[in-house]
Amino acid sequence: LAKTTQPISMDSYEGQEVNITCSHNNIATNDYITWYQQFPSQGPRFIIQGYKTKVTNEVASLFIPADRKSSTLSLPRVSLSDTAVYYCLVGAPIGGATNKLIFGTGTLLAVQP
Amino acid sequence: NAGVTQTPKFQVLKTGQSMTLQCAQDMNHEYMSWYRQDPGMGLRLIHYSVGAGITDQGEVPNGYNVSRSTTEDFPLRLLSAAPSQTSVYFCASRGADTQYFGPGTRLTVL
Repeated sequence: LAKTTQPISMDSYEGQEVNITCSHNNIATNDYITWYQQFPSQGPRFIIQGYKTKVTNEVASLFIPADRKSSTLSLPRVSLSDTAVYYCLVGAPIGGATNKLIFGTGTLLAVQP
Repeated sequence: NAGVTQTPKFQVLKTGQSMTLQCAQDMNHEYMSWYRQDPGMGLRLIHYSVGAGITDQGEVPNGYNVSRSTTEDFPLRLLSAAPSQTSVYFCASRGADTQYFGPGTRLTVL
């Protein structure tokens, strides 16, 4: 199973763009990269998933370089409500062949006014 | 459509007691899993299931049993509770385009 490494914490201010990078040096050919968000006392919430290049949805963008050994979650114009822990996972895609999904320690993003 | 439901929300046990944490989903998902989250830590996979009648171990399976007799339900059993099992337990269900987590069960073992 591919292991991921993320910064433990990051600080930002409202209105700024935030980029959180995840390292996954031993990612397998069939692995996808998935990001989750977790607020205190709640279960994680799926944000975005990708395999290569760039994926964008209504809340975030995911950038994956050609070697796929890292990925960057980009949150545009963060607000106070984006303060949460963000997890990067590497493994089977949502809806694809099932295997274990292992969470790392995540990145605590603190957004200040 | 209730998504993923978990009961109870809170539970206090004494060392050695057994109990079952319930998890149900109404989305007809094949893949379900159980995680535990200790204070200030990430989630750790306990057990998972890829369909009715099929279960497998995750990272930290010791002290827990699971079964999957129906697609909808995936209960987690604590055989003999220990203080080290004090944690928040999350059940998850995965479908075609996302994975949904339940609200969690906060378990304290005295």
